[in-house]
Amino acid sequence: GAVVSQHPSRVICKSGTSVKIECRSLDFQATTMFWYRQFPKQSLMLMATSNEGSKATYEQGVEKDKFLINHASLTLSTLTVTSAHPEDSSFYICSASEQDYNEQFFGPGTRLTVL
Amino acid sequence: GQNIDQPTEMTATEGAIVQINCTYQTSGFNGLFWYQQHAGEAPTFLSYNVLDGLEEKGRFSSFLSRSKGYSYLLLKELQMKDSASYLCAVLDSNYQLIWGAGTKLIIKP
Repeated sequence: GAVVSQHPSRVICKSGTSVKIECRSLDFQATTMFWYRQFPKQSLMLMATSNEGSKATYEQGVEKDKFLINHASLTLSTLTVTSAHPEDSSFYICSASEQDYNEQFFGPGTRLTVL
Repeated sequence: GQNIDQPTEMTATEGAIVQINCTYQTSGFNGLFWYQQHAGEAPTFLSYNVLDGLEEKGRFSSFLSRSKGYSYLLLKELQMKDSASYLCAVLDSNYQLIWGAGTKLIIKP
């Protein structure tokens, strides 16, 4: 089956630092990758959608300068949380699909804690 | 606006059957997904319905009625490991995935 990995699985950082999260599709080429954020006891919130080689499409209310997304290849997308603050602490999950609008396969998630 | 409604929490007994309902109001419809999410983990795919009717997959079945904007996930022979949140998500006319808040299912022995 389609496998998506995320790294790191857990990160604790100081306020003001930047954190990079990697999302990789291990056994398929991901045309589209999605980045979600999930706060405790809440549903997934889509942050942005990215296609390989093009700029990401950000959802309303998501600051593109704060959450930098790079979809450099068909198997790798990165999310960089710049100048992280405690309110950015959350569970970040990526997903990938082989074709546009196809089933999304989720990575295991990254728990970010900003002190 | 777009809206997905599902119960916040349900409780069921091990070995029993439970039905989790989902109603939706979206701009267009290109399919409905059910995902399972254990606490602290990412969602895992359970089912996809785009045509009316029942899709059965082992202990899990999913039903869709497009005219009623309604779906349900049926879990049979419940096991303790089925304790999780179940997320309903609809693909709208722009192929955006609209997520419900999830139903937390608690299984009691």
